[in-house]
Amino acid sequence: AQSVAQPEDQVNVAEGNPLTVKCTYSVSGNPYLFWYVQYPNRGLQFLLKYITGDNLVKGSYGFEAEFNKSQTSFHLKKPSALVSDSALYFCAVRLSGGSYIPTFGRGTSLIVHP
Amino acid sequence: NAGVTQTPKFQVLKTGQSMTLQCAQDMNHEYMSWYRQDPGMGLRLIHYSVGAGITDQGEVPNGYNVSRSTTEDFPLRLLSAAPSQTSVYFCASSSGQGYNEKLFFGSGTQLSVL
Repeated sequence: AQSVAQPEDQVNVAEGNPLTVKCTYSVSGNPYLFWYVQYPNRGLQFLLKYITGDNLVKGSYGFEAEFNKSQTSFHLKKPSALVSDSALYFCAVRLSGGSYIPTFGRGTSLIVHP
Repeated sequence: NAGVTQTPKFQVLKTGQSMTLQCAQDMNHEYMSWYRQDPGMGLRLIHYSVGAGITDQGEVPNGYNVSRSTTEDFPLRLLSAAPSQTSVYFCASSSGQGYNEKLFFGSGTQLSVL
Protein backbone atom coordinates (compact mmCIF):
# COMPACT_ATOMS: atom_id res chain seq x y z
CA ALA A 1 0.00 0.00 0.00
CA GLN A 2 1.10 3.56 -0.59
CA SER A 3 -0.20 6.79 0.87
CA VAL A 4 0.64 10.44 1.18
CA ALA A 5 -0.23 12.99 3.85
CA GLN A 6 -0.20 16.73 3.34
CA PRO A 7 -0.89 18.01 6.84
CA GLU A 8 -1.68 21.60 5.88
CA ASP A 9 -4.75 22.52 3.85
CA GLN A 10 -3.38 26.02 3.35
CA VAL A 11 -0.03 27.75 3.69
CA ASN A 12 0.25 31.53 3.79
CA VAL A 13 3.51 33.32 3.15
CA ALA A 14 4.59 36.84 2.32
CA GLU A 15 6.22 37.53 -1.02
CA GLY A 16 9.99 37.31 -0.74
CA ASN A 17 9.89 34.97 2.25
CA PRO A 18 10.90 31.31 2.07
CA LEU A 19 8.11 28.79 1.74
CA THR A 20 7.69 25.16 2.76
CA VAL A 21 4.86 22.83 1.82
CA LYS A 22 4.94 19.62 3.82
CA CYS A 23 4.51 16.05 2.65
CA THR A 24 4.97 12.72 4.39
CA TYR A 25 4.56 9.34 2.75
CA SER A 26 4.11 5.66 3.48
CA VAL A 27 5.19 2.84 1.18
CA SER A 28 6.33 -0.72 1.77
CA GLY A 29 9.69 -0.23 0.11
CA ASN A 30 11.62 2.44 -1.76
CA PRO A 31 9.53 5.43 -2.83
CA TYR A 32 9.36 7.46 -5.97
CA LEU A 33 8.12 10.91 -4.91
CA PHE A 34 6.61 13.72 -6.96
CA TRP A 35 5.27 17.24 -6.65
CA TYR A 36 2.65 18.63 -9.02
CA VAL A 37 1.14 22.11 -9.15
CA GLN A 38 -2.29 23.27 -10.25
CA TYR A 39 -2.63 26.94 -11.05
CA PRO A 40 -6.16 28.43 -10.82
CA ASN A 41 -8.52 27.09 -13.48
CA ARG A 42 -5.78 25.07 -15.10
CA GLY A 43 -4.64 21.48 -15.25
CA LEU A 44 -1.85 19.89 -13.26
CA GLN A 45 1.81 20.30 -14.11
CA PHE A 46 4.83 18.33 -12.98
CA LEU A 47 7.27 20.22 -10.72
CA LEU A 48 9.92 17.76 -9.63
CA LYS A 49 10.57 14.20 -8.52
CA TYR A 50 12.86 12.04 -6.42
CA ILE A 51 13.80 8.67 -7.83
CA THR A 52 17.20 7.97 -6.30
CA GLY A 53 20.49 9.72 -5.59
CA ASP A 54 20.89 13.19 -4.11
CA ASN A 55 18.29 13.86 -1.43
CA LEU A 56 17.87 17.47 -2.57
CA VAL A 57 15.98 17.66 -5.82
CA LYS A 58 15.64 20.81 -7.88
CA GLY A 59 12.69 21.41 -10.16
CA SER A 60 10.81 23.99 -12.18
CA TYR A 61 10.24 27.65 -11.23
CA GLY A 62 12.95 27.64 -8.52
CA PHE A 63 11.32 24.95 -6.39
CA GLU A 64 13.24 22.21 -4.63
CA ALA A 65 12.38 19.33 -2.34
CA GLU A 66 14.33 17.33 0.19
CA PHE A 67 13.89 13.60 0.56
CA ASN A 68 14.29 12.47 4.18
CA LYS A 69 14.09 8.71 4.48
CA SER A 70 14.21 8.57 8.28
CA GLN A 71 11.31 11.00 8.60
CA THR A 72 9.53 9.67 5.48
CA SER A 73 9.13 13.23 4.26
CA PHE A 74 9.47 15.08 0.98
CA HIS A 75 8.85 18.74 1.76
CA LEU A 76 8.65 21.28 -1.07
CA LYS A 77 10.64 24.47 -0.61
CA LYS A 78 11.47 27.73 -2.31
CA PRO A 79 13.89 30.35 -0.95
CA SER A 80 11.85 33.38 -2.02
CA ALA A 81 8.14 33.16 -2.75
CA LEU A 82 6.40 35.00 -5.57
CA VAL A 83 2.75 36.00 -5.75
CA SER A 84 2.58 33.94 -8.95
CA ASP A 85 3.48 30.82 -6.91
CA SER A 86 -0.02 30.91 -5.43
CA ALA A 87 -1.57 27.61 -6.45
CA LEU A 88 -2.63 24.16 -5.27
CA TYR A 89 0.27 21.78 -4.69
CA PHE A 90 0.01 18.01 -4.69
CA CYS A 91 2.51 15.50 -3.38
CA ALA A 92 2.43 11.99 -4.85
CA VAL A 93 4.16 8.68 -4.18
CA ARG A 94 4.50 5.31 -5.78
CA LEU A 95 6.42 2.22 -4.83
CA SER A 96 9.64 1.62 -6.72
CA GLY A 97 9.08 -1.48 -8.85
CA GLY A 98 5.35 -1.31 -8.38
CA SER A 99 2.57 0.06 -10.54
CA TYR A 100 3.52 3.24 -12.40
CA ILE A 101 0.39 4.90 -11.06
CA PRO A 102 1.07 7.22 -8.10
CA THR A 103 -1.14 8.00 -5.13
CA PHE A 104 -1.79 11.68 -4.47
CA GLY A 105 -2.21 13.67 -1.29
CA ARG A 106 -5.15 15.96 -0.62
CA GLY A 107 -3.31 19.03 -1.81
CA THR A 108 -2.10 22.19 -0.09
CA SER A 109 -3.24 25.63 -1.16
CA LEU A 110 -0.32 28.05 -1.17
CA ILE A 111 -1.22 31.70 -0.89
CA VAL A 112 1.56 34.24 -1.34
CA HIS A 113 0.64 37.70 -0.13
CA PRO A 114 2.13 40.81 -1.78
CA ASN B 1 2.29 19.07 -29.28
CA ALA B 2 -1.22 17.99 -28.29
CA GLY B 3 -0.18 15.88 -25.28
CA VAL B 4 -3.27 14.64 -23.44
CA THR B 5 -6.60 15.78 -24.85
CA GLN B 6 -9.79 15.53 -22.82
CA THR B 7 -13.31 16.21 -24.04
CA PRO B 8 -15.69 17.70 -23.16
CA LYS B 9 -14.46 20.49 -20.87
CA PHE B 10 -17.86 20.94 -19.26
CA GLN B 11 -20.89 18.67 -18.99
CA VAL B 12 -24.19 18.76 -17.15
CA LEU B 13 -26.10 15.51 -16.73
CA LYS B 14 -29.34 14.48 -15.14
CA THR B 15 -29.36 11.67 -12.61
CA GLY B 16 -29.47 8.33 -14.39
CA GLN B 17 -28.02 9.52 -17.68
CA SER B 18 -24.91 7.92 -19.09
CA MET B 19 -22.00 9.51 -20.87
CA THR B 20 -18.41 8.97 -21.92
CA LEU B 21 -15.49 11.23 -21.13
CA GLN B 22 -12.93 11.02 -23.87
CA CYS B 23 -9.17 10.96 -23.33
CA ALA B 24 -6.48 10.67 -26.00
CA GLN B 25 -2.70 10.99 -25.86
CA ASP B 26 -0.25 11.25 -28.72
CA MET B 27 2.97 10.43 -26.83
CA ASN B 28 2.77 6.64 -27.18
CA HIS B 29 2.55 6.29 -23.40
CA GLU B 30 1.77 2.88 -21.96
CA TYR B 31 0.25 4.08 -18.72
CA MET B 32 -3.01 5.99 -18.56
CA SER B 33 -5.25 6.84 -15.65
CA TRP B 34 -8.37 8.68 -14.60
CA TYR B 35 -8.59 10.77 -11.44
CA ARG B 36 -11.37 12.75 -9.90
CA GLN B 37 -10.69 15.93 -7.93
CA ASP B 38 -13.00 16.95 -5.13
CA PRO B 39 -12.47 19.77 -2.60
CA GLY B 40 -10.54 18.52 0.40
CA MET B 41 -10.15 15.06 -1.13
CA GLY B 42 -7.28 15.67 -3.49
CA LEU B 43 -6.93 13.48 -6.54
CA ARG B 44 -8.42 10.01 -6.26
CA LEU B 45 -7.68 7.29 -8.75
CA ILE B 46 -10.72 5.84 -10.52
CA HIS B 47 -9.27 3.39 -13.06
CA TYR B 48 -5.96 2.90 -14.77
CA SER B 49 -4.37 1.02 -17.62
CA VAL B 50 -0.84 -0.29 -18.06
CA GLY B 51 -1.25 -0.95 -21.76
CA ALA B 52 -3.74 -1.65 -24.52
CA GLY B 53 -6.23 -4.29 -23.42
CA ILE B 54 -5.26 -4.06 -19.73
CA THR B 55 -7.24 -2.06 -17.17
CA ASP B 56 -7.59 -2.16 -13.41
CA GLN B 57 -9.54 -0.48 -10.66
CA GLY B 58 -8.26 2.36 -8.54
CA GLU B 59 -9.48 3.75 -5.25
CA VAL B 60 -13.00 4.85 -6.34
CA PRO B 61 -14.10 2.70 -9.31
CA ASN B 62 -17.81 2.24 -8.55
CA GLY B 63 -20.12 3.73 -11.15
CA TYR B 64 -17.39 4.02 -13.77
CA ASN B 65 -16.21 1.79 -16.58
CA VAL B 66 -13.12 1.96 -18.80
CA SER B 67 -11.62 0.19 -21.78
CA ARG B 68 -8.29 0.49 -23.58
CA SER B 69 -8.59 -0.79 -27.12
CA THR B 70 -5.70 1.33 -28.41
CA THR B 71 -2.58 2.84 -26.88
CA GLU B 72 -3.87 6.35 -27.60
CA ASP B 73 -7.40 6.28 -26.17
CA PHE B 74 -8.73 5.67 -22.67
CA PRO B 75 -12.41 6.66 -22.37
CA LEU B 76 -14.22 6.80 -19.03
CA ARG B 77 -17.88 5.80 -19.01
CA LEU B 78 -20.41 6.86 -16.42
CA LEU B 79 -23.01 4.12 -16.49
CA SER B 80 -25.86 5.85 -14.60
CA ALA B 81 -24.86 9.28 -13.36
CA ALA B 82 -25.43 10.20 -9.71
CA PRO B 83 -25.04 13.55 -7.93
CA SER B 84 -22.07 12.07 -6.02
CA GLN B 85 -20.22 11.94 -9.34
CA THR B 86 -20.24 15.71 -9.61
CA SER B 87 -16.53 16.43 -9.77
CA VAL B 88 -13.63 17.51 -11.93
CA TYR B 89 -12.12 14.62 -13.86
CA PHE B 90 -8.55 14.43 -15.06
CA CYS B 91 -7.00 11.98 -17.45
CA ALA B 92 -3.26 11.41 -17.26
CA SER B 93 -0.61 9.46 -19.12
CA SER B 94 2.93 8.42 -18.37
CA SER B 95 5.75 6.61 -20.09
CA GLY B 96 6.61 5.15 -16.68
CA GLN B 97 10.31 5.03 -17.46
CA GLY B 98 12.36 5.85 -14.39
CA TYR B 99 14.29 9.07 -14.79
CA ASN B 100 11.89 10.42 -17.41
CA GLU B 101 8.84 9.40 -15.43
CA LYS B 102 6.11 11.95 -14.87
CA LEU B 103 2.38 12.27 -15.43
CA PHE B 104 1.02 14.42 -18.21
CA PHE B 105 -2.49 15.63 -17.43
CA GLY B 106 -5.35 16.68 -19.61
CA SER B 107 -7.07 19.99 -18.98
CA GLY B 108 -9.94 18.38 -17.08
CA THR B 109 -13.68 17.87 -17.42
CA GLN B 110 -16.00 19.64 -15.02
CA LEU B 111 -19.05 17.43 -14.58
CA SER B 112 -22.25 18.37 -12.79
CA VAL B 113 -24.95 15.79 -12.14
CA LEU B 114 -28.32 17.24 -11.21
